[in-house]
Amino acid sequence: KNEVEQSPQNLTAQEGEFITINCSYSVGISALHWLQQHPGGGIVSLFMLSSGKKKHGRLIATINIQEKHSSLHITASHPRDSAVYICTPEEGADGLTFGKGTHLIIQP
Amino acid sequence: GAVVSQHPSRVICKSGTSVKIECRSLDFQATTMFWYRQFPKQSLMLMATSNEGSKATYEQGVEKDKFLINHASLTLSTLTVTSAHPEDSSFYICSARWGGYGYTFGSGTRLTVV
Repeated sequence: KNEVEQSPQNLTAQEGEFITINCSYSVGISALHWLQQHPGGGIVSLFMLSSGKKKHGRLIATINIQEKHSSLHITASHPRDSAVYICTPEEGADGLTFGKGTHLIIQP
Repeated sequence: GAVVSQHPSRVICKSGTSVKIECRSLDFQATTMFWYRQFPKQSLMLMATSNEGSKATYEQGVEKDKFLINHASLTLSTLTVTSAHPEDSSFYICSARWGGYGYTFGSGTRLTVV
């Protein structure tokens, strides 16, 4: 079973700050997903990464397959970025396994 | 992008009644739909996996006779909570794999059983 550790568990920051969320896992994977769960419950798939780096707007995700580590960065953070961010490994045809994620609050 | 439409978004029902939740893939064919449940302040937990035209696979501890899943077409999967009780009150959300791009999620259903 893949042990996933995400840090920090909780993060409160001021608007405009650069945010980094880290994710490490124990078993080699083919890809990793970053998801965002809004306060109302809705979930958005942000990235699916198998190597290197991806960027979408103010979000950047990187992965190092050898080190079994991934990071999600948010530049110029905004209160609307307040959400729970979850990393989860690709586990083939099975559904995703969700941890508790990182609770991010961006204060104006 | 791939969109999964989930309805209803909120439902309040009386104890003992049944509630049906629908998930439709709008612009792609979802051969597999995943159903999750989330209790307050907890992580989402996979309940079951439905495959078009075959029986759903339930996770350990999930009662298949209570949570009926039907995936009769490539664009529609339904979850029916039968004989609902207050402890079934939860947030239910469906998800489908979209090609090689990852997963897309419905908007979720908040069920309250009174």
